[in-house]
Amino acid sequence: GESVGLHLPTLSVQEGDNSIINCAYSNSASDYFIWYKQESGKGPQFIIDIRSNMDKRQGQRVTVLLNKTVKHLSLQIAATQPGDSAVYFCAEILHAGGTSYGKLTFGQGTILTVHP
Amino acid sequence: GAVVSQHPSRVICKSGTSVKIECRSLDFQATTMFWYRQFPKKSLMLMATSNEGSKATYEQGVEKDKFLINHASLTLSTLTVTSAHPEDSSFYICSASPGAGGDETQYFGPGTRLLVL
Repeated sequence: GESVGLHLPTLSVQEGDNSIINCAYSNSASDYFIWYKQESGKGPQFIIDIRSNMDKRQGQRVTVLLNKTVKHLSLQIAATQPGDSAVYFCAEILHAGGTSYGKLTFGQGTILTVHP
Repeated sequence: GAVVSQHPSRVICKSGTSVKIECRSLDFQATTMFWYRQFPKKSLMLMATSNEGSKATYEQGVEKDKFLINHASLTLSTLTVTSAHPEDSSFYICSASPGAGGDETQYFGPGTRLLVL
C-alpha cells in the first residue's frame, strides 16, 4: 500500500547548525501534511503543518517545504539546539471521498541528535 | 492550550487481566479521538477512531473485542485492553481533535506504557 517514508533514519548535527529532515510520500492525493516531534517516552508534539496548496510555511525556527512534483516534504530547523534532539515524524492526511476528516499516516521517523 | 492527558502513564498487569486507559482533552472539546499503538523505535500505528456518542471505527487487523473503545463525552475516551497478554505490551497513545471550525489538528497525549507479564 502507499505510505509515507523517510530518507534518513538518523541525523546528527552540532548545536547552532541548521537541520534538514526529509520525508518522501507516495500518495499524490494526500492534501495535508504535519511534522511531529517525539521525545523519549512522550507523545508526539505538533510542530508545523502545511496544506497541499502551499509549498512553504514558516514557524518559529522551523520551515516546512512541500514539493508535490517529486512528492517530497522537508522540515528545516534553524540554529538547532540540544533540546531539539528527538524523533521527528512526518504524517500525511488524505481526505478521501470528500470527508472532512482524514486519518493520519505516520512516516518511519528520523532520530535527530544535537551535539553541544 | 490544547492539552491532552492520559492515565495511567505506566501500568504493569498480569496476563489475562483487563486494563483501562483514559484519554482526556483538558481545555477543549474533542469531537474525535484517536488511539495509536507504538512499538519501540517504530512509528505510530492507528488502531481506531472514535467519535463522541458513536461506535469506534477500527483499523484493519485490530480486534474490536480485544481493544474496547468508549467515547462517552467530548472530553473523555477510554481504551480497555481485555484479557491482556504479553504481546499486548506496548506504548499506547491517544490524540484528540477539536474538529470545530475545520480544525483537524490532532493533539497527542503523553502515552501509556503497558507491560503485561
